[in-house]
Amino acid sequence: GAVVSQHPSWVICKSGTSVKIECRSLDFQATTMFWYRQFPKQSLMLMATSNEGSKATYEQGVEKDKFLINHASLTLSTLTVTSAHPEDSSFYICSARWARGGRGEQYFGPGTRLTVT
Amino acid sequence: ILNVEQSPQSLHVQEGDSTNFTCSFPSSNFYALHWYRWETAKSPEALFVMTLNGDEKKKGRISATLNTKEGYSYLYIKGSQPEDSATYLCAFNAGGTSYGKLTFGQGTILTVHP
Repeated sequence: GAVVSQHPSWVICKSGTSVKIECRSLDFQATTMFWYRQFPKQSLMLMATSNEGSKATYEQGVEKDKFLINHASLTLSTLTVTSAHPEDSSFYICSARWARGGRGEQYFGPGTRLTVT
Repeated sequence: ILNVEQSPQSLHVQEGDSTNFTCSFPSSNFYALHWYRWETAKSPEALFVMTLNGDEKKKGRISATLNTKEGYSYLYIKGSQPEDSATYLCAFNAGGTSYGKLTFGQGTILTVHP
């Protein structure tokens, strides 16, 4: 149980284009999903918290107009990197929390490697 | 900014060796400490969620302890096997208005040689 999928697993795009990454909880309902980013040799850094049916909450320093997050259902959240630039190249990973997660357990997808050329 | 540190950064051991690594975190505003095991190209796998000072949890050959007063947790692997090779991550959950927001350490990369 508690499986989270992420699609695509890797993507290469040209500078100025937009890329959408999907995060799905396959066997449970997730009222909250989280988006993280990891640059080389650094730790996973939280970008935003996404609650189903409401606007995402972004961490300090993360541009909400650049990283659009939609959480339209209890099993799907999407992250769209708009007008991507080479400095957006990174590893993006999502996690999902059960609707009734007692101790805050989060279950992670396998991540998406984004390369912007 | 919360500071979560893991040591060592990497570790090489022989099959059969027992090993341990450390996660240090702020001792104030503690809610939970998470341990994950992350193999390349896979999803991080949740190992433990620890909430109480003095907690000890065990899963097979892997166990963890928690000291919230001094702000550290140890992860132990008994009789390491090559399949234990992975990055081990700890993450601090401060609770309160930060409930659910995990602050991760950089991880300890474990390599077990046959």
